[in-house]
Amino acid sequence: DIQMTQSPSTLSASVGDRVTITCRASQSISSWLAWYQQKPGKAPKLLIYKASSLESGVPSRFSGSGSGTEFTLTISSLQPDDFATYYCQQYNSYEGFTFGPGTKVDIK
Amino acid sequence: QVQLVESGGGVVQPGGSLRLSCAASGFTFSSYGMHWVRQAPGKGLEWVAFIRYDGSNKYYADSVKGRFTISRDNSKNTLYLQMNSLRAEDTAVYYCAKGGAAGMYYFDYWGQGTLVTVSS
Repeated sequence: DIQMTQSPSTLSASVGDRVTITCRASQSISSWLAWYQQKPGKAPKLLIYKASSLESGVPSRFSGSGSGTEFTLTISSLQPDDFATYYCQQYNSYEGFTFGPGTKVDIK
Repeated sequence: QVQLVESGGGVVQPGGSLRLSCAASGFTFSSYGMHWVRQAPGKGLEWVAFIRYDGSNKYYADSVKGRFTISRDNSKNTLYLQMNSLRAEDTAVYYCAKGGAAGMYYFDYWGQGTLVTVSS
C-alpha cells in the first residue's frame, strides 16, 4: 500500500501569511493527488485535484504543485475562513486511495 | 446542485450488521463512480470502498474487505454500504462521496455523513 505523510502536523499562522503544507508519498504517484479542506463537524471539501488543478469555485489563493512523491499546497494569503485541517489523498492505486494524516492550520 | 444524503447510521453491538444508504441528486448518478469514506472520532479520513458507475468493479480497504459490501441502484440514485461483523474500530462518521470526472478516484462532492457507533 502507498503511505502518505504530511508536514507539519500543526501550523500556527496569521491572517495574510503565506502558508505551505507538504505531502509525501511512499512511492511515485505521478500527479494523482488531491487536497481537501475540512472544518470541525463538516464534510471535507475538494480544493485541488491532479496535484495542481484548482477545483471550480475554490479561491485562487489556493494552489498545488509537485509530482512523483513530493507535493505542496500553498495558500498565498491566509484568510479567516482558511483556518481548518487539510488532507492530501493519493489516487494512483486501486489497492487503496489513502489520505495523509492531516495538517491543522490554526490562529497564531 | 449536487446533493448526497446519507442515512442508516446508529448504535450496533460488536458482531452486528448495519446498512447505510446514500441518496444522490443533482447529477447523473449512473455516470459516476461512488465511494464511502469514514472518519473515526477525532481522527483522520480513511477511504473504505469504491464502486464503478455501472457496478462492474468494486474495491475495498483491507480493513473492511470480506465484511463490508458496496452496492448501488442506479434506478433509485442510491448508494449502499452493507456492514457485517462490525467491530469497535468501525465506529466513525461514514461519508458517501462522488467520484471525480472521467472516472478519476478523487472525491468532488461529499454528503454530511452518518455516525455509526459499535458498542455493547
